[in-house]
Amino acid sequence: AQTVTQSQPEMSVQEAETVTLSCTYDTSENNYYLFWYKQPPSRQMILVIRQEAYKQQNATENRFSVNFQKAAKSFSLKISDSQLGDTAMYFCAFYRSSTGTASKLTFGTGTRLQVTL
Amino acid sequence: DTAVSQTPKYLVTQMGNDKSIKCEQNLGHDTMYWYKQDSKKFLKIMFSYNNKELIINETVPNRFSPKSPDKAHLNLHINSLELGDSAVYFCASSHSQGAFEQYFGPGTRLTVT
Repeated sequence: AQTVTQSQPEMSVQEAETVTLSCTYDTSENNYYLFWYKQPPSRQMILVIRQEAYKQQNATENRFSVNFQKAAKSFSLKISDSQLGDTAMYFCAFYRSSTGTASKLTFGTGTRLQVTL
Repeated sequence: DTAVSQTPKYLVTQMGNDKSIKCEQNLGHDTMYWYKQDSKKFLKIMFSYNNKELIINETVPNRFSPKSPDKAHLNLHINSLELGDSAVYFCASSHSQGAFEQYFGPGTRLTVT
């Protein structure tokens, strides 16, 4: 079974600064996907970024980027130029991809990020 | 245009009642899911349907019964509600092949009193 660990329950960052959220996972699979989801106070789960395990290049989406270290099973999220709207719970999630069969997301426990003025 | 919608968004009911939550997606996905988010914000899969067939059934009490009338809908019926069922329930959908991103509905906050 896969496990996902987010060791930072809460973090705070000032507006315009950069923050990195940690995520580690445990799996024996070789093919999988990793995701970061954001859950603002509105409760909506919003996909932030995804990473395919077979790709060495780190994914980037505007101000969001990841540092994917497959051997270390680490998948951190970097938020640059933090904005007040980035205040949310951030969940790291693991997805085991099997040919022709959908699978479940396994979530970490989340990191609550507060962006301050 | 809402991609994944759930109704109702809030549900308050008494112990022992039976209730349903509905989910619809207009993304053309063939797979739909139910997740439960507890009071500590932990998200856990409950069920998954692919082309109306149940493919994932985690350890969930059989008071919970999902039903998928077609690929675009996945409803969740809960019998004999208990206090511990209070949570936020999320519906999600995805393709089963290729891009696997799951798109979530707005969630249904269920409160059992």
